[in-house]
Amino acid sequence: DTAVSQTPKYLVTQMGNDKSIKCEQNLGHDTMYWYKQDSKKFLKIMFSYNNKELIINETVPNRFSPKSPDKAHLNLHINSLELGDSAVYFCASSQAENIQYFGAGTRLSVL
Amino acid sequence: QKEVEQNSGTLSVPEGAIASLNCTYSDRGSQSFFWYRQYSGKSPELIMFIYSNGDKEDGRFTAQLNKASQYVSLLIRDSQPSDSATYLCAVDGSSNTGKLIFGQGTTLQVKP
Repeated sequence: DTAVSQTPKYLVTQMGNDKSIKCEQNLGHDTMYWYKQDSKKFLKIMFSYNNKELIINETVPNRFSPKSPDKAHLNLHINSLELGDSAVYFCASSQAENIQYFGAGTRLSVL
Repeated sequence: QKEVEQNSGTLSVPEGAIASLNCTYSDRGSQSFFWYRQYSGKSPELIMFIYSNGDKEDGRFTAQLNKASQYVSLLIRDSQPSDSATYLCAVDGSSNTGKLIFGQGTTLQVKP
């Protein structure tokens, strides 16, 4: 019973392609997040949604578009992938006290 | 100045020793402080959180917070090889948006 699940776990694609990553949480949390972790392990927030409403939108290229169909799901669509997009993308969710629980991550490799 | 700063690189301690991990932050209005552990190739896992000045203990882990000095630390007593991982300090800033700002992490290596 995975609390925060992401798919796919690995994504290998060519430059210029469009890809999506899906995230689902079964914790009943209201808030979900997307983070990017680069090769130096620096973890940086990209977006957050609270009950389907966009709350945080960091300085991220507009090729990245999050979508939250309901509060249990937050997907990330990336257009025109670039080499620099290669990273691990983590989904997370939280409720009280901003204690965030992370999914297993999606390792994106852009060739 | 980075918003959340940790000692970069690797901290190496012998098994059974106390490991001390340090973190400083720049936003004086920060309210909540978190320590996450991340094993290689895995996701961050929450170990401790602390809101008030002083110490908070949970088993072998103690988080220490000093808001005046803008400093938070994590002590791991009786370190075990299984504690070898990267430890990430995270700070919930004063914006009240739920945004966590992470430090760059300190890698702990516990040698048997």
